[in-house]
Amino acid sequence: ELKVEQNPLFLSMQEGKNYTIYCNYSTTSDRLYWYRQDPGKSLESLFVLLSNGAVKQEGRLMASLDTKARLSTLHITAAVHDLSATYFCAVDHRDFGNEKLTFGTGTRLTIIP
Amino acid sequence: DTEVTQTPKHLVMGMTNKKSLKCEQHMGHRAMYWYKQKAKKPPELMFVYSYEKLSINESVPSRFSPECPNSSLLNLHLHALQPEDSALYLCASSQAGQGVIEQYFGPGTRLTVT
Repeated sequence: ELKVEQNPLFLSMQEGKNYTIYCNYSTTSDRLYWYRQDPGKSLESLFVLLSNGAVKQEGRLMASLDTKARLSTLHITAAVHDLSATYFCAVDHRDFGNEKLTFGTGTRLTIIP
Repeated sequence: DTEVTQTPKHLVMGMTNKKSLKCEQHMGHRAMYWYKQKAKKPPELMFVYSYEKLSINESVPSRFSPECPNSSLLNLHLHALQPEDSALYLCASSQAGQGVIEQYFGPGTRLTVT
């Protein structure tokens, strides 16, 4: 069974600081997604990472993928309050011939002024 | 149009009721998904439809019955639910087949079973 683990589960950080969220997964996959979820809301797609070494940046967020280490990171630069949310990674994999997403445990990020 | 819509937004039902959740997309996607998300947990896959055929059922209890009447619509019929079924139910759609299969999520239906 595929396991997708994120750490930390909870992160409280001050505005202006940098931090990294880690996503480890237990099976071979070349595709990984990062989503953001605000309380009570749906999932917003942030990044699609398609190959080993992929790096994508949008504003203060940067995501990378190392398929050999089965590790993805989401780096936050100079955090601002608007980034407070829960962040999920999701691994795309085949299960008995069917493509499916398995989500990580989630990281609840709180940015403190 | 890159939107997935879901109705209703909120639903309160008793354990003996029958209700349905609806999902619609007009992106030409041929794969549609139902996820269940409990509070402070990640979404969990329930069902996948590919080309209007059920391709994945993640051992979901039979009190949840999915239906895909056409390529744009996905329903989830609910009957004799339990209080522990209270959750946010998310619908998603994507291109079908191999390759990049980015899923687009709807706003969800928040279900409360009393």
